[in-house]
Amino acid sequence: QTVVTQEPSFSVSPGGTVTLTCGLTSGSVSTTSYPSWYQQTPGQAPLTLIYNTDTRSSGVPDRFSGSILGNKAALTITGAQADDESHYYCVLYLGSGIWVFGGGTKLTVL
Amino acid sequence: QVQLVESGGGVVQPGRSLRLSCEASGFAFKNYAMNWVRQAPGKGLEWVAVLSFDGSNEYYADSAKGRFIMSRDNSQNTLYLQMNSLRPEDTAVYFCARLHWEFHAFDIWGQGTMVTVSS
Repeated sequence: QTVVTQEPSFSVSPGGTVTLTCGLTSGSVSTTSYPSWYQQTPGQAPLTLIYNTDTRSSGVPDRFSGSILGNKAALTITGAQADDESHYYCVLYLGSGIWVFGGGTKLTVL
Repeated sequence: QVQLVESGGGVVQPGRSLRLSCEASGFAFKNYAMNWVRQAPGKGLEWVAVLSFDGSNEYYADSAKGRFIMSRDNSQNTLYLQMNSLRPEDTAVYFCARLHWEFHAFDIWGQGTMVTVSS
């Protein structure tokens, strides 16, 4: 059973930089996993932030960026703002028509 | 305006069936693979299933395999999820999501429909 790992919670100061990660319990994340990132506030549908590792979705501010760091996918928020306080989910494509979401990271901006 | 609107959720007893719908507008529905993603109360997102643009290929998460069936009617721009043998652990908000096939990402999401499985 493949499990996608994310930090359960993270905190960042307004204006600060934070990097959230997305890994695998077995193996490494690479661009062939097509990592993508989604932001979700309670009661709302997810919003697509990043796809194909590092491509920002239309309308997403450039303070959000994606990358591969070591053996994980990463979402970096540079210059965090109060309304970035949200849940962030990554999803990896495992091949053969199967996707797996990470458990999500609750980001607090304070 | 690109939009996905889910419907069909409700309260259902364990062991019963329910069919969800997702109506698409603002884009060429027939050209896109589509997904269902669910979220149990207070929990994270869980990918459920994907159906190819023409309905010829479908894949399911282990939690849905053998019980859920995706289908689509491209003439009506509508996606379906037939859920059988429902269990309490299927209680969740069900989102439909368009697939960006080239990059294997979910690029458009509906607002979701709530399914509660309870006696």
